[in-house]
Amino acid sequence: KQEVTQIPAALSVPEGENLVLNCSFTDSAIYNLQWFRQDPGKGLTSLLLIQSSQREQTSGRLNASLDKSSGRSTLYIAASQPGDSATYLCAANGGSQGNLIFGKGTKLSVKP
Amino acid sequence: NAGVMQNPRHLVRRRGQEARLRCSPMKGHSHVYWYRQLPEEGLKFMVYLQKENIIDESGMPKERFSAEFPKEGPSILRIQQVVRGDSAAYFCASSPNRGQTGELFFGEGSRLTVL
Repeated sequence: KQEVTQIPAALSVPEGENLVLNCSFTDSAIYNLQWFRQDPGKGLTSLLLIQSSQREQTSGRLNASLDKSSGRSTLYIAASQPGDSATYLCAANGGSQGNLIFGKGTKLSVKP
Repeated sequence: NAGVMQNPRHLVRRRGQEARLRCSPMKGHSHVYWYRQLPEEGLKFMVYLQKENIIDESGMPKERFSAEFPKEGPSILRIQQVVRGDSAAYFCASSPNRGQTGELFFGEGSRLTVL
């Protein structure tokens, strides 16, 4: 049974700092891994999708990596801004039906 | 292109009443997923539907919960005889394909409060 864990549960950094959010999964047989952002009381915004054949994806200041053999993914945020404050969720897609298994998220706070 | 639309955004029900949550997928998407987010918990898969078919309902509670995605109209998640433990945010996601390699797009969620 796939389990997804995100560490740390919460992170507070000063503005401008580069940071890394970690995601680990127990079953390496995944089709893809997706990173989301969730603002309080809001829905999920897709940030990056990494297919199982890919090692990383980049979008602006965000870079996500995937290492299937070790069951890990990281989300790198460069030059963090207060507007990056949100909960970041990673989700592994390992089922033939496309269901995502979510971690509990990392709550990021970027202080001005 | 409108995103995934969910309504109502907020719903208050008393114990024993019924709750109906609606989801219109993105245009061109025929695959719908429902997830539940309990307070301080991660999102949990509930059910996966295609038009007129339930493909996977392994995450649905055995009683009181049902889902449908008719040929015409939105997908509906129905909760009968709600209890306080049903209070949660219910999210719908859609995908243009089966989802093995595709991206899921989520709605803003419907937040159910049971008094």
